[in-house]
Amino acid sequence: AQSVTQPDIHITVSEGASLELRCNYSYGATPYLFWYVQSPGQGLQLLLKYFSGDTLVQGIKGFEAEFKRSQSSFNLRKPSVHWSDAAEYFCAVGAGNQFYFGTGTSLTVIP
Amino acid sequence: GAVVSQHPSWVICKSGTSVKIECRSLDFQATTMFWYRQFPKQSLMLMATSNEGSKATYEQGVEKDKFLINHASLTLSTLTVTSAHPEDSSFYICSAVSGDISYEQYFGPGTRLTVT
Repeated sequence: AQSVTQPDIHITVSEGASLELRCNYSYGATPYLFWYVQSPGQGLQLLLKYFSGDTLVQGIKGFEAEFKRSQSSFNLRKPSVHWSDAAEYFCAVGAGNQFYFGTGTSLTVIP
Repeated sequence: GAVVSQHPSWVICKSGTSVKIECRSLDFQATTMFWYRQFPKQSLMLMATSNEGSKATYEQGVEKDKFLINHASLTLSTLTVTSAHPEDSSFYICSAVSGDISYEQYFGPGTRLTVT
């Protein structure tokens, strides 16, 4: 069965530090991959997506993600975190007419 | 572009009453809309897939008679929670699909439902 795993339930980083959020998926072929961000009480905002082509994808707000087929991973990165990045982050996979969300990673940014 | 709205953004209702939540695609036509439910500190749970002009497809465990979905036009889908109970209190989020890439969903801002 298809699945999306975000191993880190909660991450705390200092403002200005780099960030990497992990996402692994289980699917036979290359799926469509997404990262969303959700602020408290808000809907989801698309940060970036990967469908095909260059495996390093640039998104909004300075985020990027790299698709690694050999590791079935699509990790999200940001070189310097801002306090406003504190939110919940969801990795999602589109595969076989289905859409699967990871369990989310809560990001806390400390000054 | 690709903006999805939801109305209301929050609602409080009494047990036994029904509540309707609207999901609109503002600047595109959405042949498919999805309804999700999210509990605090948890991920989104897909409730149903709504296609314009046809009956919604419900996920396993979701009561279709309790959560009525109507996708009457290419820009509007509604979710009606019938005979609401406190356990129905949750954050409901809709999304809409634009174009042929069915996985590229655009999400509404969500509706917070509290049943007293």
